[in-house]
Amino acid sequence: NAGVTQTPKFRILKIGQSMTLQCTQDMNHNYMYWYRQDPGMGLKLIYYSVGAGITDKGEVPNGYNVSRSTTEDFPLRLELAAPSQTSVYFCASSYYRTGQAHEQFFGPGTRLTVL
Amino acid sequence: EDQVTQSPEALRLQEGESSSLNCSYTVSGLRGLFWYRQDPGKGPEFLFTLYSAGEEKEKERLKATLTKKESFLHITAPKPEDSATYLCAVPNRDSWGKLQFGAGTQVVVTP
Repeated sequence: NAGVTQTPKFRILKIGQSMTLQCTQDMNHNYMYWYRQDPGMGLKLIYYSVGAGITDKGEVPNGYNVSRSTTEDFPLRLELAAPSQTSVYFCASSYYRTGQAHEQFFGPGTRLTVL
Repeated sequence: EDQVTQSPEALRLQEGESSSLNCSYTVSGLRGLFWYRQDPGKGPEFLFTLYSAGEEKEKERLKATLTKKESFLHITAPKPEDSATYLCAVPNRDSWGKLQFGAGTQVVVTP
């Protein structure tokens, strides 16, 4: 199993450009997540999905959009990039069963710089 | 609002010098606590899950313990390869499928 994979690893965007961060998992997990991590600030949840076709906002969703058409894929779309979106982005997945919380597994991250 | 607080923010240890990291949380009715290790430039790597007060988990030089209000990650006789940022997380009050993360403790172990 490859686990959670993310592409690209690095990207530089100009202000106002758009891009999609790709995330794929091969563990048949139902839950998937997008986080951003800024220095000293910990992981902040952007969006999450409980299954194909179902997504919901996290703590910091402004400026981002997601979709989940399959169990495996959960792309994150940035529209009109701004310098405040410079960050490291992590995708994660977990197999959630009602009644107990379960660990999340993370991808290697995408380092995004907006200039 | 639920909070997860980790201390200290940074810890510098000599090789072999044991120490402990703290993770305190305000969420009531804890449904699990997770510890992760994160190396520079990489995603967090899962270490342990603790579900109830009194529970302990061990892996090599790491031991995680849990009380009703906090968790400790003990590092015994650390080696330079234990240098990393250690994160703890608890399930969100309104959705167990979501985790709330602390800001982490950066550990540096020098030879």
